[in-house]
Amino acid sequence: EDQVTQSPEALRLQEGESSSLNCSYTVSGLRGLFWYRQDPGKGPEFLFTLYSAGEEKEKERLKATLTKKESFLHITAPKPEDSATYLCAVVGGGSNYKLTFGKGTLLTVNP
Amino acid sequence: NAGVTQTPKFQVLKTGQSMTLQCAQDMNHEYMSWYRQDPGMGLRLIHYSVGAGITDQGEVPNGYNVSRSTTEDFPLRLLSAAPSQTSVYFCASSSPSLDEQYFGPGTRLTVT
Repeated sequence: EDQVTQSPEALRLQEGESSSLNCSYTVSGLRGLFWYRQDPGKGPEFLFTLYSAGEEKEKERLKATLTKKESFLHITAPKPEDSATYLCAVVGGGSNYKLTFGKGTLLTVNP
Repeated sequence: NAGVTQTPKFQVLKTGQSMTLQCAQDMNHEYMSWYRQDPGMGLRLIHYSVGAGITDQGEVPNGYNVSRSTTEDFPLRLLSAAPSQTSVYFCASSSPSLDEQYFGPGTRLTVT
């Protein structure tokens, strides 16, 4: 059974204070790891897909990295508009088309 | 493109009532899925479909039925609503690779 654990559950930063969110996973044959952003009262919004260890992707102030056991979402010089819940999900080789999500990290960036 | 649309946005049901949550996408995606999101539980997969006429169960399928007669539509049926089905329901679609899933705005369901 695929498992995803995200930490911390909540993170409060000052504007401009860089940090990282963690996503640890257990999966048989990773087919893909996904990062999503979710604003209150809305559906998740896709950010990144990572397929293999060592892969990195960037978008504005966000950078996602992947190892064989975990992924990090690095946030550089965050702004208040980066405040949201960040979700990590995986799909494994034995899971067909079933995504397993973590519980998310609630990020708050204060001005 | 409207993307993924869901109706209704809010619904209150009494225990034992049945209803259908509607989901439609206009991106010609083969893969569609339903999730429920509960506080402290994250998103959990209910059912999914990889194409018209093909559906399969996810992590929490009990009490829910689905069908996929067209590429565009993927309705979720609650057969006999229970208070444990109080949740926010999200529909999503993507290519079969699951890359870049598009989520709908959600349906907030309360069962009393």
